[in-house]
Parts: sequence; C-alpha cells; structure tokens
Amino acid sequence: DTGVSQNPRHKITKRGQNVTFRCDPISEHNRLYWYRQTLGQGPEFLTYFQNEAQLEKSRLLSDRFSAERPKGSFSTLEIQRTEQGDSAMYLCASRWRDSGNTIYFGEGSWLTVV
Amino acid sequence: GEDVEQSLFLSVREGDSSVINCTYTDSSSTYLYWYKQEPGAGLQLLTYIFSNMDMKQDQRLTVLLNKKDKHLSLRIADTQTGDSAIYFCAEGNLQGGKLIFGQGTELSVKP
Repeated sequence: DTGVSQNPRHKITKRGQNVTFRCDPISEHNRLYWYRQTLGQGPEFLTYFQNEAQLEKSRLLSDRFSAERPKGSFSTLEIQRTEQGDSAMYLCASRWRDSGNTIYFGEGSWLTVV
Repeated sequence: GEDVEQSLFLSVREGDSSVINCTYTDSSSTYLYWYKQEPGAGLQLLTYIFSNMDMKQDQRLTVLLNKKDKHLSLRIADTQTGDSAIYFCAEGNLQGGKLIFGQGTELSVKP
C-alpha cells in the first residue's frame, strides 16, 4: 500500500443523480479527511473521521452530502440529487493520529454535473 | 476566523530561486505545510514546519516562519521547469488535524 487511493477518478453525472466516491486510506491510518476543491481555489475541509467515528463536519456539508467509514478503513462520500455547483474535485486524505505532521492526500475524484 | 492568504502568481527563470509567501491568522496553529499540485492531480506534501521553529531546510526547499507576523515562506533553490505547479500553504493543529488552505500560488518557470 503506497498511498491514499480514490475512485472513480472522474465522474460525469446528470443533475439530480446520486454519486458515490470511495477512499482507501494508507493502511493503519486512523484519521481520514474529505476536502472539496473547485477551480482556482484551495481545498476546503468537509469532514473527518477517527476510526469509524465522524468527529467534525463543515457547514459546507449540506444535507445532500453524507460520508461514512463503517469499519474504520475505507470511506465513502455520497452526494444525493447533485447540482451543478457540486462540480469539483473531491480529495481524501489520511493520517496516523500520533504523527500529526504528515497528512497524505489521494489523487482526487473529479465530479462534473451536467 | 481562520484564513490563509497567498499571492496568486509567481514567474521565475530556470536556475533562479523562487520565494512563495503566505500569511495566516490562526495563532493556535501547530503545523504549517507546503503542498504542491500539478494539473489534474492531488496534493503532494513537500514539507512542513512546527510552529516553534523558525526555519527548516530540506534539500532545495527552505521554509521560514515568522510567528510574530504570522508569515510563512517557501524558497526553492535552483528552480527547474519541473517545479512549475500550484503551491499551497496550509495551517493545522494536532487536535483535529484539519487543514486550512490558501488559494494557492501558481509558479511558472521559464527556460
């Protein structure tokens, strides 16, 4: 296991459809983060998990967004009833709690809502 | 509130040094990071500095931190065309670990 893995890498969907992204963190990393990045901007924090517990959610995470990490390993981010404003790259990151200085990001999942 | 600001663009010639600047507002930040992003890719961690340090050097990279002014800089020595990318400054703390990012500085290296 060499890094944080995200899939799909690209998704094009019609407005109103649901989409789900998956993130596999680095093995044994117990903290997992989701960020959203739109063109020309830096990543914005959405939510994070410590093991299977979701400890913080940003106000950016509307009720159409839900994230889970059922067994404390991989995580999914679901967006229901997608809107054009949801078009962005969704980044996952992970970290081992006791090494707070190293947070690793995946390659991201691009979402285009048409 | 928490905020991180960076200048948007920097253009340098190959072989010159690049200096990318960043200011932040959260005095409780424990770590400050520099990430690199190439087109269409995720974020690559370049280096970080603990808030009680004022300098860190890592090969061609030098990070300077002025905690009093909440100013962070990244110097890249002998800049190469492969260094062309967007560079993000981010602040974070040990408690939650979430990062607050700046808008990114696009570095363009001309041959």
